[in-house]
Amino acid sequence: GAVVSQHPSWVICKSGTSVKIECRSLDFQATTMFWYRQFPKQSLMLMATSNEGSKATYEQGVEKDKFLINHASLTLSTLTVTSAHPEDSSFYICSARDPRATEKLFFGSGTQLSVL
Amino acid sequence: AQSVTQLDSQVPVFEEAPVELRCNYSSSVSVYLFWYVQYPNQGLQLLLKYLSGSTLVKGINGFEAEFNKSQTSFHLRKPSVHISDTAEYFCAVSDGAGNMLTFGGGTRLMVKP
Repeated sequence: GAVVSQHPSWVICKSGTSVKIECRSLDFQATTMFWYRQFPKQSLMLMATSNEGSKATYEQGVEKDKFLINHASLTLSTLTVTSAHPEDSSFYICSARDPRATEKLFFGSGTQLSVL
Repeated sequence: AQSVTQLDSQVPVFEEAPVELRCNYSSSVSVYLFWYVQYPNQGLQLLLKYLSGSTLVKGINGFEAEFNKSQTSFHLRKPSVHISDTAEYFCAVSDGAGNMLTFGGGTRLMVKP
């Protein structure tokens, strides 16, 4: 079946540094990928929709200069948390639609970011 | 490590019939459990969640789920489905700290008139 690979799984960084998270669709071309953020015990929050070859669409309240999204190819989208602060510590997960499977959604394994 | 298995990739059902979407999980720690729904051409929406307390959880749109620790299951049920319930349903589990969310493969519910 289709697989979405996300890495790193865990990252610890110092406050003020930038962190890049990669999301790859391994056996299908994903024109659209989604980035979510998980707050403990809460619903998953959609951050942005990443479109190949164009600018990402950010949800209301998400800082586009803080969370940079690049969808440079049909199999790779990246989320860069710039100048990370402790409040950015969270679990980030990506998903991608497989156009071959009536747009079925597949999820990455997620990235736990801890900013010290 | 934790994992989620949704045993049925597709569930066809007639309108007004009851439905159960199965979800089993494995985890070495206590967990929180979620059911999400994705309607066609829309984003994920939280149906319900289990954090603690009563094992029977009621959600939106008439759905409910029961947490069964001994069977490591969190099956989703609705006594009478509507055409509008046609969607993809995802079961998810997070660890005891509320992080590390893992999704099942999804179950496509197809309600027929």
